Amino acid sequence: QQQVKQSPQSLIVQKGGIPIINCAYENTAFDYFPWYQQFPGKGPALLIAIRPDVSEKKEGRFTISFNKSAKQFSLHIMDSQPGDSATYFCAASKRGNNNDMRFGAGTRLTVKP
Amino acid sequence: NAGVMQNPRHLVRRRGQEARLRCSPMKGHSHVYWYRQLPEEGLKFMVYLQKENIIDESGMPKERFSAEFPKEGPSILRIQQVVRGDSAAYFCASSPGDGPQPQHFGDGTRLSIL
Repeated sequence: QQQVKQSPQSLIVQKGGIPIINCAYENTAFDYFPWYQQFPGKGPALLIAIRPDVSEKKEGRFTISFNKSAKQFSLHIMDSQPGDSATYFCAASKRGNNNDMRFGAGTRLTVKP
Repeated sequence: NAGVMQNPRHLVRRRGQEARLRCSPMKGHSHVYWYRQLPEEGLKFMVYLQKENIIDESGMPKERFSAEFPKEGPSILRIQQVVRGDSAAYFCASSPGDGPQPQHFGDGTRLSIL
């Protein structure tokens, strides 16, 4: 049962572009939504996270937009750079459930110079 | 990813052998999670442990797989009688406590079954 659906599967943008990765969740009990960045041969690294009491969170060039009613959230990368080329995973977890975190299938982002 | 230490980084086993994967959580973290990742796929939850307790093993196959997190020492994911389908990257993550908190990942163990 896939509780977090992520799209697109892959994404190619030019340097300076704004890639957008979307996720949708089913369980309304989810209340913590992190994004992870993974480079080849490495483990996922926490990038940015949001809770449903805000609609947007920005950290540097990374922004999460959150739509609670639609049960969707997205990651925007401003002024993308070749070094941002990686696989990005969204995730969701719910309070009081032993930190049971569900991950999306991932988006492979390529930023061309 | 510094802080969560996994070893070995690469492990090669023949079918029928046992594989032991180790994970030392970040300092101060008492919660450990194991995930499995196949090529081009996301992370699949396997098991969640606290010291000396298995909290949730709903993602772990009932046979051949086991996990522990003893009072002293690293968490161990053990796969007995490995088969080709066990080939994957296995990641460990840790967090400081319960509730929705960020999980910090190690760099994984790549298991290859010959």
